Amino acid sequence: EPEVTQTPSHQVTQMGQEVILRCVPISNHLYFYWYRQILGQKVEFLVSFYNNEISEKSEIFDDQFSVERPDGSNFTLKIRSTKLEDSAMYFCASSPLNEQFFGPGTRLTVL
Amino acid sequence: SQELEQSPQSLIVQEGKNLTINCTSSKTLYGLYWYKQKYGEGLIFLMMLQKGGEEKSHEKITAKLDEKKQQSSLHITASQPSHAGIYLCGADNMNRDDKIIFGKGTRLHILP
Repeated sequence: EPEVTQTPSHQVTQMGQEVILRCVPISNHLYFYWYRQILGQKVEFLVSFYNNEISEKSEIFDDQFSVERPDGSNFTLKIRSTKLEDSAMYFCASSPLNEQFFGPGTRLTVL
Repeated sequence: SQELEQSPQSLIVQEGKNLTINCTSSKTLYGLYWYKQKYGEGLIFLMMLQKGGEEKSHEKITAKLDEKKQQSSLHITASQPSHAGIYLCGADNMNRDDKIIFGKGTRLHILP
């Protein structure tokens, strides 16, 4: 059964460094999302992406964040200058229309 | 903005017993999702409900959406250790690329 994959599973970085989190959505899906979950808190929406552009973004998704679908298969989330409070699980999701299927997540730890 | 309240926050159940988790919305639910999350892992899609009074089942898990579309329940029959985890309800407006708003989750422990 097709599934969303994410790499790396765990990323440790120094504050101020750039990180790129990668996702491979399910191949025939059209809508792509990033969510994050700070330890012990709710899963929060970051951004949705359709037709090579951002559809919606939350207030969390500030200028430090960007998304890209560089080659028709990968979907990336870049954080330009990481802060301690960016430490969280980051989930990618994809959808053919309504149901969203989530990847296993990348645990980002900012030191 | 829409808020989802899940109850209970955590639940400890003897293996083989039935249990119910509830999800109540501050607004009418258009698309209601149930996901399961193993500790520190990804979200596994369980079911999506759209219509008032709708009920769906998958193996021993049944989810219902009430007629007024403001509350959903997830019922597990004859619980097993594999059911342990965090159950999340989520809601969206059923527009094509809508974000999902999640509840805080219900943490389920199954005692052998």
